[in-house]
Amino acid sequence: NAGVTQTPKFQVLKTGQSMTLQCAQDMNHNSMYWYRQDPGMGLRLIYYSASEGTTDKGEVPNGYNVSRLNKREFSLRLESAAPSQTSVYFCASSAQGQGGGQPQHFGDGTRLSIL
Amino acid sequence: GNSVTQMEGPVTLSEEAFLTINCTYTATGYPSLFWYVQYPGEGLQLLLKATKADDKGSNKGFEATYRKETTSFHLEKGSVQVSDSAVYFCALSDRGGANNLFFGTGTRLTVIP
Repeated sequence: NAGVTQTPKFQVLKTGQSMTLQCAQDMNHNSMYWYRQDPGMGLRLIYYSASEGTTDKGEVPNGYNVSRLNKREFSLRLESAAPSQTSVYFCASSAQGQGGGQPQHFGDGTRLSIL
Repeated sequence: GNSVTQMEGPVTLSEEAFLTINCTYTATGYPSLFWYVQYPGEGLQLLLKATKADDKGSNKGFEATYRKETTSFHLEKGSVQVSDSAVYFCALSDRGGANNLFFGTGTRLTVIP
């Protein structure tokens, strides 16, 4: 049972470089999410995809783009990395259920440092 | 809007002590409430949840009751173990189609033998 798989686990970039964080889930979930986790701030939603073919901005979308490639995969792209984007990035997925209450399942995270 | 406020940490307890981590929320409508746990170097794992007022979620000796009148969802455990050392996050779901979660800032718990 892989659940939610994120790659890479660690990455160091220079300011201005670009990269794509990959996420795949094998639970047939409709919804997928990208968060960043910074000390003392909990998790903040960057982008989400309620279903295949749709994406929406979350709380902190600036500097990021996403692609919902298919039902399984949801990637996060940094076009021009900045030191403020140094963070731990988590991907999550969930089923859609009537009235909410569906838990999200998280990957192990990508630790990204921008120099 | 939706927001979660949880007890500032860190919290340090001796093994077998009683644990309470406070969580209060602000929400439009009737949210579902969750506690997630994060062990070092790992992602978040669902610990327990409650989907309506007066529901009690429980798992691994942890409990939390959805209190609509006080807008609270406090986490409790009667006797903590060293293996409970982790960061605990309270969260709410807005019941929208995307099932978005709103997180508190997390509370780090350290249990010493």
